[in-house]
Amino acid sequence: GAGVSQTPSNKVTEKGKYVELRCDPISGHTALYWYRQSLGQGPEFLIYFQGTGAADDSGLPNDRFFAVRPEGSVSTLKIQRTERGDSAVYLCASSSGLAGGIGELFFGEGSRLTVL
Amino acid sequence: AQSVSQHNHHVILSEAASLELGCNYSYGGTVNLFWYVQYPGQHLQLLLKYFSGDPLVKGIKGFEAEFIKSKFSFNLRKPSVQWSDTAEYFCAVNTITGGGNKLTFGTGTQLKVEL
Repeated sequence: GAGVSQTPSNKVTEKGKYVELRCDPISGHTALYWYRQSLGQGPEFLIYFQGTGAADDSGLPNDRFFAVRPEGSVSTLKIQRTERGDSAVYLCASSSGLAGGIGELFFGEGSRLTVL
Repeated sequence: AQSVSQHNHHVILSEAASLELGCNYSYGGTVNLFWYVQYPGQHLQLLLKYFSGDPLVKGIKGFEAEFIKSKFSFNLRKPSVQWSDTAEYFCAVNTITGGGNKLTFGTGTQLKVEL
């Protein structure tokens, strides 16, 4: 497709379980971002990839959260030992990474995670 | 660290009313400023952005925003809203820190336009 694709769109899991959320960015976009949006809040930065490497992971809340982008395209956000406080919409965005594209993030529709 | 404040959390307007949504940021250096919009059931999309130059920026669907550096503000305006403008609006800032589009978002303003 032409846009950013995220799967699953909804995920319900139990406390303590492991979860993976997938993001397929726009073809050719070198930069990929993960954000988290809790109810009533704006998106909160988690991690940013430029190509295969994590250029900035300062937003990851703790070591239960990890993300990879092994081939510089699809990315997976991994959450271990989920907690109820991890419930949120996880947003993925991509951009061209070129100077002219600064700030033009293209967002997916998000993966809604509910931890029971 | 930078932060963004949106003071209006919920706004209800009648069609054809004028709109102004407030946005203030806290960062002393050079910034890029953005407004994103999320229509019901849709993903976030860029409404307009400011990098440099003319502080009055025009965006899609008749929206505009004015960057006032002395007030650290980037308010969003539209002279006459339509029912289809019902959405949530997010102000965001990106600081020039060596690359990347790491945006800091405000908490959002939910706009409801009534017929």
